[in-house]
Amino acid sequence: EIVLTQSPATLSLSPGERATLSCRASQSVSDYLAWYQQKPGQAPRLLIYDASNRATGIPARFSGTGSGTDFTLTISSLDPDDFAVYFCQHRSNWPPTFGGGTKVELK
Amino acid sequence: EVRLVESGGRLVQPGESLRLSCAGSGFRFNGYAMYWIRQAPGKGLECVSYVSGGGFATYYTDSVKGRFTVSRDMSTDTLYLQMNTLRAEDTAVYFCAKGRNSFGAFDIWGQGTMVTVSS
Repeated sequence: EIVLTQSPATLSLSPGERATLSCRASQSVSDYLAWYQQKPGQAPRLLIYDASNRATGIPARFSGTGSGTDFTLTISSLDPDDFAVYFCQHRSNWPPTFGGGTKVELK
Repeated sequence: EVRLVESGGRLVQPGESLRLSCAGSGFRFNGYAMYWIRQAPGKGLECVSYVSGGGFATYYTDSVKGRFTVSRDMSTDTLYLQMNTLRAEDTAVYFCAKGRNSFGAFDIWGQGTMVTVSS
């Protein structure tokens, strides 16, 4: 099974700042990588699919880049609503696995 | 509105069985692969099972093979997860999710249902 490693574990930032989250795969997943946002007590919400495509209704401040084994989620200017946990997930083969998450917290 | 609603989670003892349900609405249910994904308390996400749009292909994560069975009822747009011989490590919130396409990202999620396995 493919292991996804996210870094950093926690990111402490202020509203308006730029957030850069990393996800590294143990082997190539091509561009079959997605990003999700999860808030406490809620289900995850799809942000980005296939590495760089924003899901329906996702603001343009969210962007994804990368291919192969290294991927980045960037939030260009943090909104107060963006403080949450972010997970990456691959769909390259079965089982699709998730990274351990990056918590973006208020500094 | 595209929606998934899970039900069936509760407290059970080790070794018991439980069936979870997930009702879909607002989309062509039998056109999409569906998944069960779980999240143990304070932990990350684990994809437990997959069923194809037509219901003919299924996959399971190794830890539940032989114990869990996924199925779907096209007449009622409902996804099921039959869980047998439950263990303490199966304790989690169980989400159903719709695949964006076959083996795609999970674009619609239910609110989750809590399964607790404890004596």
